Amino acid sequence: GAVVSQHPSRVICKSGTSVKIECRSLDFQATTMFWYRQFPKQSLMLMATSNEGSKATYEQGVEKDKFLINHASLTLSTLTVTSAHPEDSSFYICSASFPLARVETQYFGPGTRLLVL
Amino acid sequence: DAKTTQPPSMDCAEGRAANLPCNHSTISGNEYVYWYRQIHSQGPQYIIHGLKNNETNEMASLIITEDRKSSTLILPHATLRDTAVYYCIVRVPTGNQFYFGTGTSLTVIP
Repeated sequence: GAVVSQHPSRVICKSGTSVKIECRSLDFQATTMFWYRQFPKQSLMLMATSNEGSKATYEQGVEKDKFLINHASLTLSTLTVTSAHPEDSSFYICSASFPLARVETQYFGPGTRLLVL
Repeated sequence: DAKTTQPPSMDCAEGRAANLPCNHSTISGNEYVYWYRQIHSQGPQYIIHGLKNNETNEMASLIITEDRKSSTLILPHATLRDTAVYYCIVRVPTGNQFYFGTGTSLTVIP
């Protein structure tokens, strides 16, 4: 299957700082990528849809000024958590859309665990 | 919002078949059913998807009822490494966003 990577795998930062997470599709070009957040013992929550060369589309309740998304190329999307606070501590997961048997299927990265102190 | 309902947890003996049910009674005619699983602290792993016909690959089989209101994921010979949370997802037709439900936590018992 298609491979998606994320960097870093885990990050610890101080409250008030910004953190950038990278998502890369390694062996295919992804015009659409997605960002999710997952709190402990909960399911994945879709945050935003990232389209190459255009502005991201955010889900209701997700602050676009706090979670900046950039999709500058067909293989890279970045999520920047600005002015992070302890409540932003979570597991952030990206996915990339890939056609499988003529149907768009999402392949997920391994996730980034963010801890804000 | 997720359009699927799954039991919160299930157990399965190692070596036996694991049958995971999913209810998607409001599915539209052009929506696909996808199955993913998430092993602890990892990203979800694609398993299989289908529209209306039964599907099989090297990981699992997907059985979709004729009315498409429910489906079953079958792991033919469960191993301890199959212990994970299994998500059944119906893809909305207007885009390719996935909305995850609560999933089924499968525990394979030695």
